[in-house]
Amino acid sequence: AQTVTQSQPEMSVQEAETVTLSCTYDTSESDYYLFWYKQPPSRQMILVIRQEAYKQQNATENRFSVNFQKAAKSFSLKISDSQLGDAAMYFCAYRRRHFGNEKLTFGTGTRLTIIP
Amino acid sequence: EPEVTQTPSHQVTQMGQEVILHCVPISNHLYFYWYRQILGQKVEFLVSFYNNEISEKSEIFDDQFSVERPDGSNFTLKIRSTKLEDSAMYFCASRGTGVNTEAFFGQGTRLTVV
Repeated sequence: AQTVTQSQPEMSVQEAETVTLSCTYDTSESDYYLFWYKQPPSRQMILVIRQEAYKQQNATENRFSVNFQKAAKSFSLKISDSQLGDAAMYFCAYRRRHFGNEKLTFGTGTRLTIIP
Repeated sequence: EPEVTQTPSHQVTQMGQEVILHCVPISNHLYFYWYRQILGQKVEFLVSFYNNEISEKSEIFDDQFSVERPDGSNFTLKIRSTKLEDSAMYFCASRGTGVNTEAFFGQGTRLTVV
């Protein structure tokens, strides 16, 4: 079974600074996707960024980028130029890359606070 | 932009009562999911659904739970006899059938069992 671990229950960062959220996972699969979802106080799950395991290049999406280390099974999220609107719970998630109805497996989340 | 719609946003029910949570997935999506998030905890998979049948279900999804796609647009989660521990946020998600497609989540239904 796949597991996703987020070891930082809470993080805080000064506005405009950079913060990195950690995620590790365990799987026996070689082909999969990794995701970061943001959950603001409204509680909706919003996709921030995704990484395909077969791609060596780290995904970037504006101020959000990942550091994907496949051998170490590590997938961290870097938020640059942090903004007040970035305050949320952030969940790391895994999905097997397979033709089928594959589910997401989530980590326990990191609550990010932005200090003005 | 297409979105997954869930109703109601908040449901309060008495223990032992049946509840039905409603979801309208994105129209051309064929993979459907229900997830649950107990307050302050992680998001847990409940069930996946495709082609009018359950693809996979978790240990949480016991005989008290059922899912249905009654009319080709709605996707419902029924809890037959609610317990206090069923109080949680329930998220519906849908996805296209391509291997590279993303799951889109609804805004959730907060279920409170009293």
